[in-house]
Amino acid sequence: GAGVSQSPRYKVAKRGQDVALRCDPISGHVSLFWYQQALGQGPEFLTYFQNEAQLDKSGLPSDRFFAERPEGSVSTLKIQRTQQEDSAVYLCASSLLGSGGGIHYEQFFGPGTRLTVL
Amino acid sequence: QKEVEQNSGPLSVPEGAIASLNCTYSDRGSQSFFWYRQYSGKSPELIMFIYSNGDKEDGRFTAQLNKASQYVSLLIRDSQPSDSATYLCAVAYSGAGSYQLTFGKGTKLSVIP
Repeated sequence: GAGVSQSPRYKVAKRGQDVALRCDPISGHVSLFWYQQALGQGPEFLTYFQNEAQLDKSGLPSDRFFAERPEGSVSTLKIQRTQQEDSAVYLCASSLLGSGGGIHYEQFFGPGTRLTVL
Repeated sequence: QKEVEQNSGPLSVPEGAIASLNCTYSDRGSQSFFWYRQYSGKSPELIMFIYSNGDKEDGRFTAQLNKASQYVSLLIRDSQPSDSATYLCAVAYSGAGSYQLTFGKGTKLSVIP
């Protein structure tokens, strides 16, 4: 079956512009995660959805970052008034569930969106 | 502060050798441990996960977990040049509603033909 897809794959924005990044999770996956990966670093957690509910947004770096998943499937990460430090790869991951029986379900990543802010 | 530590490398091994990748984590409440492989310019790809103390083998890969020492490792037997990539250790912490993964910075592996 199809994996996680993300669009656009590359985005160049001028500082101060707003951007919207899209994620299509694997069909039937309840949980959806957004991560930010800077060059040479591991991914860092931004936010988590279970169906349409945003259960954890503790990783969002500022109030310029906003995410939604209104129908429990496709998700959009929006960054307002982009800054140069927002330049990174934004990764979306989905999993069948969050956890169960004391174990965490494996997360499958999309190809990412590389954002460059000039 | 929950932390996951990895040696950034690069780790160079000859083709056919065993590559050993190590990871330590700070939170004793951690429950699930994952190894991802990331080729340059690509997204992370899950290769192994482990939940219980001991070893778990899958083909040429073996994951080892020691919760008492807060240590998890990945062994790659018969290393191939195609194994050259960055290997990310990820830990899932316990806690209500807390399902995110915390990643290390990754170890870059280079397999020399």
